[in-house]
Amino acid sequence: DADVTQTPRNRITKTGKRIMLECSQTKGHDRMYWYRQDPGLGLRLIYYSFDVKDINKGEISDGYSVSRQAQAKFSLSLESAIPNQTALYFCATSPRGYGYTFGSGTRLTVV
Amino acid sequence: GIQVEQSPPDLILQEGANSTLRCNFSDSVNNLQWFHQNPWGQLINLFYIPSGTKQNGRLSATTVATERYSLLYISSSQTTDSGVYFCAVEGRTNAGKSTFGDGTTLTVKP
Repeated sequence: DADVTQTPRNRITKTGKRIMLECSQTKGHDRMYWYRQDPGLGLRLIYYSFDVKDINKGEISDGYSVSRQAQAKFSLSLESAIPNQTALYFCATSPRGYGYTFGSGTRLTVV
Repeated sequence: GIQVEQSPPDLILQEGANSTLRCNFSDSVNNLQWFHQNPWGQLINLFYIPSGTKQNGRLSATTVATERYSLLYISSSQTTDSGVYFCAVEGRTNAGKSTFGDGTTLTVKP
């Protein structure tokens, strides 16, 4: 099993629908992150969490919400999906003071 | 927040050539990472290098924190090195979260 697992891998949804992307990790890291990647661009931070009770907004949090259900699980929700949220979404984990491990990504298309 | 600029944006090489990718950043940093995104979209952590030099096979990286830049060297490039290389920087004033550059797209031709 992968260290960081994202589900689903691909999803097509309609405008206005609520959708949840899930991330789970087996590395025991405290820190978890959700990033978004648009074509030709780098990754932009949506939300991050340093532990179960510490959740923070990133640079592009509008239209998104998150839930840290346990140390190992961090979910990202789009409350009412819109087409410009079509992107590749990545979850990452890290221990304090060390580098990131990324999941394989979720390719989301909003039609 | 911290600004991260990568250069060049695109690079095309023949197999066997060497290359240097650069990452400039605008503020003091806690850490710096280099990633490779392969053509299937997977992100692989290459180096965690807030300062100094590290080597891993044909790849090496150097970060000069006082001058606010990092370099990634790829020697004897192979077609499997193709993809996008990202630099991600955690600034001192944004502890715990990293800002990514826009990447360098490397194409290695056989």
